[in-house]
Amino acid sequence: DTGVSQNPRHKITKRGQNVTFRCDPISEHNRLYWYRQTLGQGPEFLTYFQNEAQLEKSRLLSDRFSAERPKGSFSTLEIQRTEQGDSAMYLCASSLTSPAGELFFGEGSRLTVL
Amino acid sequence: QQQVKQSPQSLIVQKGGIPIINCAYENTAFDYFPWYQQFPGKGPALLIAIRPDVSEKKEGRFTISFNKSAKQFSLHIMDSQPGDSATYFCAASMVKGGGNKLTFGTGTQLKVEL
Repeated sequence: DTGVSQNPRHKITKRGQNVTFRCDPISEHNRLYWYRQTLGQGPEFLTYFQNEAQLEKSRLLSDRFSAERPKGSFSTLEIQRTEQGDSAMYLCASSLTSPAGELFFGEGSRLTVL
Repeated sequence: QQQVKQSPQSLIVQKGGIPIINCAYENTAFDYFPWYQQFPGKGPALLIAIRPDVSEKKEGRFTISFNKSAKQFSLHIMDSQPGDSATYFCAASMVKGGGNKLTFGTGTQLKVEL
């Protein structure tokens, strides 16, 4: 299966620790998106890349959050000094620029901050 | 303001029934309106999408109705099956000039009973 892959699938951490999530998009997709989903809510946009350039960041993405996409391939999302409010599912999606349209989502990385 | 409002929050229908989920948007710059289906523990998966130049699109048992003047669109599931039990999200985006980042509704939990 060459879909969007996310690791780890589950992460439990203590408040104040740093965590990093990785996303491997569909190989030919040049756009990569990060979303956050809390229980009972729709996914909320965090940031997106076109190739290696980070083109937009949501106001939801505080200074403790950083995302990278070196060489325009895989991406990492790091959360520093985690807080209990960071507990959520972090979803990665990828798409083509042209023709634009469908975002393909991974299965997500669930973060629990104790 | 980029918001997408979705209703109802939950829906129970009998097998063979036709659940209808409604969404309303505010930003007239949106030009792409997809519906995503999400099962527990999985990422959202695209069901069907529509552009504002058509009023209806049908794919298999799924139909989107789109009313541009009212800024509303809805999903109809014909001959619903227990396997359709999932959470459904409407979304909207600007494909041109907006990076195609999706703004999601809050979701509708559908249960199809035998």
